[in-house]
Amino acid sequence: AQTVTQSQPEMSVQEAETVTLSCTYDTSESNYYLFWYKQPPSRQMILVIRQEAYKQQNATENRFSVNFQKAAKSFSLKISDSQLGDTAMYFCAFMKGNQFYFGTGTSLTVIP
Amino acid sequence: EAGVTQSPTHLIKTRGQQATLRCSPISGHTSVYWYQQALGLGLQFLLWYDEGEERNRGNFPPRFSGRQFPNYSSELNVNALELEDSALYLCASSLPGPGSEQFFGPGTRLTVL
Repeated sequence: AQTVTQSQPEMSVQEAETVTLSCTYDTSESNYYLFWYKQPPSRQMILVIRQEAYKQQNATENRFSVNFQKAAKSFSLKISDSQLGDTAMYFCAFMKGNQFYFGTGTSLTVIP
Repeated sequence: EAGVTQSPTHLIKTRGQQATLRCSPISGHTSVYWYQQALGLGLQFLLWYDEGEERNRGNFPPRFSGRQFPNYSSELNVNALELEDSALYLCASSLPGPGSEQFFGPGTRLTVL
């Protein structure tokens, strides 16, 4: 069975600094997709970044980038130049065959 | 373009009652997913519908059921409500195909008293 583990329930970072959120997963599959979703307080869940397992290159979206280590089954999210609007719950997700497995989330607070 | 919508926003029921939650996907999306978000447990996959058919379900009892209508909107029914069913229920939609991004609705907050 697939599982997704986010070992950091809460994190904080100073505005303009860099923070890394960790995620590990367990699977025997070779082709799959990984996602980071953001859920701001009282707002809808939105996609932050997406990685296809067969691609070696780490995905990047503006200030957000991932460190995808397939052999180690690790998929961490780096947020550079943190902004107050980055305060949210972040969920790591694994997808195979249109079924999603989510981690329990990391609550990130950006401190002014 | 309108996003995923869900109704109602809040729903309060008592133990043993039935709850019906509704979801309208983004236009053109044929897949609808339902998730339960209970405090401290992340998102738990409930059901996946595509083209009117149930394609997969998570590890939930049969009293959680649903359907997808010809216009791709969906309904989640929870029978014989229990206190632990209190949670935020999220609906998401996507285009068909592997790895498609899921777009989430704002959720329905179900409270069981």
